[in-house]
Amino acid sequence: SHELTQPPSVSVSPGQTARITCSGDVLPKRLTFWYLQKSGQAPVLVISEDNKRPSGIPERFSGSSSGTMATLTVTGAQVDDEGDYYCFSTDSSHKGVFGGGTKLTVL
Amino acid sequence: EVRLVQSGAEVKKPGNSLKISCQISGYNFANNWIGWVRQVPGKGLEWMGIIYPGDSDTRYGRSFQGQVTIAADKSINTIYLQWNTLRASDTAVYYCARSGRYFEIDHWGQGTLVTVSP
Repeated sequence: SHELTQPPSVSVSPGQTARITCSGDVLPKRLTFWYLQKSGQAPVLVISEDNKRPSGIPERFSGSSSGTMATLTVTGAQVDDEGDYYCFSTDSSHKGVFGGGTKLTVL
Repeated sequence: EVRLVQSGAEVKKPGNSLKISCQISGYNFANNWIGWVRQVPGKGLEWMGIIYPGDSDTRYGRSFQGQVTIAADKSINTIYLQWNTLRASDTAVYYCARSGRYFEIDHWGQGTLVTVSP
């Protein structure tokens, strides 16, 4: 089945590096995308195509993918980076799936 | 500028039918996949399905096949999400979401809150 698994929560102090993982059997064959959702808002794309930063996303956000795991890294995390992060991928029929989401706390 | 403007919040009773909408502007509506994402209060994002307005080809997520209908009206650049029989478990925020080059979501609507309660 096409499922993506994320840790429920990650917590770091300001200035530390936060790493959020996403695992799934389809990831070796499919691209991974990462979204940040802050409370009460629509999600925002922070990493595209495994490791590309969309325009306007700070350089401290980066992505990587190897085998069945993709990783979102926030280097020098700031309080403003808090929120729920979701990985996303698609299957061969272009049907999408989200990971369960990871709550990032920076304090 | 791409804009996805959704219809307003709805309060319905179990068993009611409902259709919510998303009006699109700023790009070629017929030639881009677009669909819906559900978020139950306090829970994560769920991909529901997408439609290609040019020919109405539709793909549904496994949990939503047969539960909802996604439709498009090319004449008014609008897509719809429809229920024939609402349940309390349909209470959620529904986002209109355009698919990008790799079928990722590259633009989001503002969300429509649907509340189903006796």
